[in-house]
Amino acid sequence: GAVVSQHPSWVICKSGTSVKIECRSLDFQATTMFWYRQFPKQSLMLMATSNEGSKATYEQGVEKDKFLINHASLTLSTLTVTSAHPEDSSFYICSALGLAATGELFFGEGSRLTVL
Amino acid sequence: AQRVTQPEKLLSVFKGAPVELKCNYSYSGSPELFWYVQYSRQRLQLLLRHISRESIKGFTADLNKGETSFHLKKPFAQEEDSAMYYCALAGGTSYGKLTFGQGTILTVHP
Repeated sequence: GAVVSQHPSWVICKSGTSVKIECRSLDFQATTMFWYRQFPKQSLMLMATSNEGSKATYEQGVEKDKFLINHASLTLSTLTVTSAHPEDSSFYICSALGLAATGELFFGEGSRLTVL
Repeated sequence: AQRVTQPEKLLSVFKGAPVELKCNYSYSGSPELFWYVQYSRQRLQLLLRHISRESIKGFTADLNKGETSFHLKKPFAQEEDSAMYYCALAGGTSYGKLTFGQGTILTVHP
């Protein structure tokens, strides 16, 4: 099946620094990727929709200047958490929409961010 | 606004017993509903979707528009079914944009 890979799997950074998380579709092209945030023992909250070659669409309440999304190719989307603070600590998950008619979503393994 | 509710955070059953994970939704149009499963230390994966009407790993789910429900059922639970289960809804024109329920942790005891 299709594979979506996230990197890094976990990252620890100091408050005030920026962190970039990559989401790659390894064996298929994805014009659309989605970024979610998951707090401990809670559901996935959609942050933004990332479209290749265009600006991301952010959900209400998500700061676009805080969470920069770039989808420069059909296999790569990046999420950059700028000037990270402890409250940004979370599990970030991406998913990619396959091009097949079924339109199945494939999820990455997630990236755990801890901001000290 | 669309919403998905899974009323049970935790559900425990014994092996061989029937299991039902509840999911209710709120959406004004025609929804597309899914069940995703996350086994321990693994990524989310699609279990089934209502339009395919498939039975995957013995699980089935029927969309009941009258009750706005999409409960997941299995007649005989197995230990390997222990996992986190998420009900999700895709509505509108943005295909693939999912609203997730809170998730239910299913534990099947031997």
